Amino acid sequence: GNSVTQMEGPVTLSEEAFLTINCTYTATGYPSLFWYVQYPGEGLQLLLKATKADDKGSNKGFEATYRKETTSFHLEKGSVQVSDSAVYFCALSETGGFKTIFGAGTRLFVKA
Amino acid sequence: DVKVTQSSRYLVKRTGEKVFLECVQDMDHENMFWYRQDPGLGLRLIYFSYDVKMKEKGDIPEGYSVSREKKERFSLILESASTNQTSMYLCASSLWGDRGSPNEKLFFGSGTQLSVL
Repeated sequence: GNSVTQMEGPVTLSEEAFLTINCTYTATGYPSLFWYVQYPGEGLQLLLKATKADDKGSNKGFEATYRKETTSFHLEKGSVQVSDSAVYFCALSETGGFKTIFGAGTRLFVKA
Repeated sequence: DVKVTQSSRYLVKRTGEKVFLECVQDMDHENMFWYRQDPGLGLRLIYFSYDVKMKEKGDIPEGYSVSREKKERFSLILESASTNQTSMYLCASSLWGDRGSPNEKLFFGSGTQLSVL
């Protein structure tokens, strides 16, 4: 079945460091891919998405490119801030279905 | 500002109790979802509703039921709570996307942390 695998955390970085959170997926068809972020005490919110191969999603300095050949959707940010500390979830939506499949989440801590 | 509101942030119940978790959205969304979130497992779909009185089972519906009598309200019911239902429960809503998918952008509530003792 469809699945999403993302790197285990926690990831701890200093402010202004480069961030990469790896995400790979297994899916039939042509799923849309997403990154959601969950700040402490809040629900998840959509960070960015890509709906087809080679699309790049971007928002708030974060980027991810839909790589069909490597079935990956890695999240990157050039310079993280303390306010980026949160849990990040990679996800895919099934083609023609109603389910969003989430990864286990990666907790990011950014130190000042 | 768009909003999905879950009635309780924390809830403590006893084994065997009937538990109601309420969710209300003010965005006139057709679709509503209930997920549970557990450490190391991410989010797992319990139920999905695409219209009033319409529902579909998700990946883990056992031990749960749902009710959607009004478009804005989606309730999750634990018929007889058990300790393995201790979890964070997240409600979400969405519109139908351009490609006919209900998943193009989910809006989540802040969650209900349920403890079953």
